[in-house]
Amino acid sequence: ETGVTQSPTHLIKTRGQQVTLRCSSQSGHNTVSWYQQALGQGPQFIFQYYREEENGRGNFPPRFSGLQFPNYSSELNVNALELDDSALYLCASSSSGAGDTQYFGPGTRLTVL
Amino acid sequence: AQSVAQPEDQVNVAEGNPLTVKCTYSVSGNPYLFWYVQYPNRGLQFLLKYITGDNLVKGSYGFEAEFNKSQTSFHLKKPSALVSDSALYFCAVRDMGSGGGADGLTFGKGTHLIIQP
Repeated sequence: ETGVTQSPTHLIKTRGQQVTLRCSSQSGHNTVSWYQQALGQGPQFIFQYYREEENGRGNFPPRFSGLQFPNYSSELNVNALELDDSALYLCASSSSGAGDTQYFGPGTRLTVL
Repeated sequence: AQSVAQPEDQVNVAEGNPLTVKCTYSVSGNPYLFWYVQYPNRGLQFLLKYITGDNLVKGSYGFEAEFNKSQTSFHLKKPSALVSDSALYFCAVRDMGSGGGADGLTFGKGTHLIIQP
């Protein structure tokens, strides 16, 4: 059974640029959630995708957007990057129930200069 | 709205002693509760969860947690700490009433657990 994978591992961008992060979900899971973890903080929920549609969203602006594909993999896109977007971005896959465990990938470290 | 508090930024325990990492939560309905561990520059690893049933939940690596509804707490415990348990621990909550998990997990700020040889 393959776990959750994310790419790239690290990324450096400049302010104003756009970035795309990718996530492959664990086998058998149909739901992907994205989180932002700033340095020294707990993860913050960005949004969740289920059956290729956004299923819920945290307190993040519209310049954070996503996609889910038929194979349940997902992308997180961030436009007009700001310095405060520098963080570890975590993807988690799960089944669709509210009590189902979310399994996390290793994360993508984004640095915005 | 749901929230989690981890009142201790750091917990220091001698190897072989019991450990406790504290967590309290707030939800409007009934909670699903989770504990995760994070090693440096890594993602989160699932330890255990409370859904329903027995208040004492057993998880990976000898960890357990006790759900206390009256105190709205879900403290993580281990009878005998190992140096390899040193890591960052996160408590998380989701309201059972949230439709299909659409609210996501709400995490605490984390507690650094340091086990001294």
